[in-house]
Amino acid sequence: KQEVTQIPAALSVPEGENLVLNCSFTDSAIYNLQWFRQDPGKGLTSLLLIQSSQREQTSGRLNASLDKSSGRSTLYIAASQPGDSATYLCAVEGGMRFGAGTRLTVKP
Amino acid sequence: DAGVTQSPTHLIKTRGQQVTLRCSPISGHKSVSWYQQVLGQGPQFIFQYYEKEERGRGNFPDRFSARQFPNYSSELNVNALLLGDSALYLCASSLVGGLQMNTEAFFGQGTRLTVV
Repeated sequence: KQEVTQIPAALSVPEGENLVLNCSFTDSAIYNLQWFRQDPGKGLTSLLLIQSSQREQTSGRLNASLDKSSGRSTLYIAASQPGDSATYLCAVEGGMRFGAGTRLTVKP
Repeated sequence: DAGVTQSPTHLIKTRGQQVTLRCSPISGHKSVSWYQQVLGQGPQFIFQYYEKEERGRGNFPDRFSARQFPNYSSELNVNALLLGDSALYLCASSLVGGLQMNTEAFFGQGTRLTVV
């Protein structure tokens, strides 16, 4: 059974810091991994989708990497801003398995 | 283009009642998935439908059922509501479905169900 874990559960950083969020999964035979952002009480916003054949994807200040052999993905956020404050979730297998998320707070 | 739309946005029901939640996917998307998200946790997969057929089912009791219509919209039904069914119910649409889904999933804003 695929298990997805996100560490840390919560993170608070000052504005301008670069930061890394982690996602690990137990079964390396995944087809894809997707990162999402969720604001309180809202739906999920897709950030990046990494296919199993890819190593990384970039969008603006975001960069996500995927290492299937070690069962890990990282989301790198450059020059963090208060507007980045949200919960970040990773999901594998077309969203059929989510991690619990990392709650990020960026302080002005 | 409209995104994924869900209705209603909020709902309050009594234990034992039945509820129907609705989802309209992005135009052109043929797959709809349903999720339950309890406060403080990640979404839990309930169902996936693609081309009007069930393509995946999560670990939920038979009180939960769903269907997809010819226009690819979908309904999630929950019977005999329990207090523990209180959650945010999310719908996601994508171009195709199945485990080998290599397309992005786009989510609606969810329906907040409260069971009292």
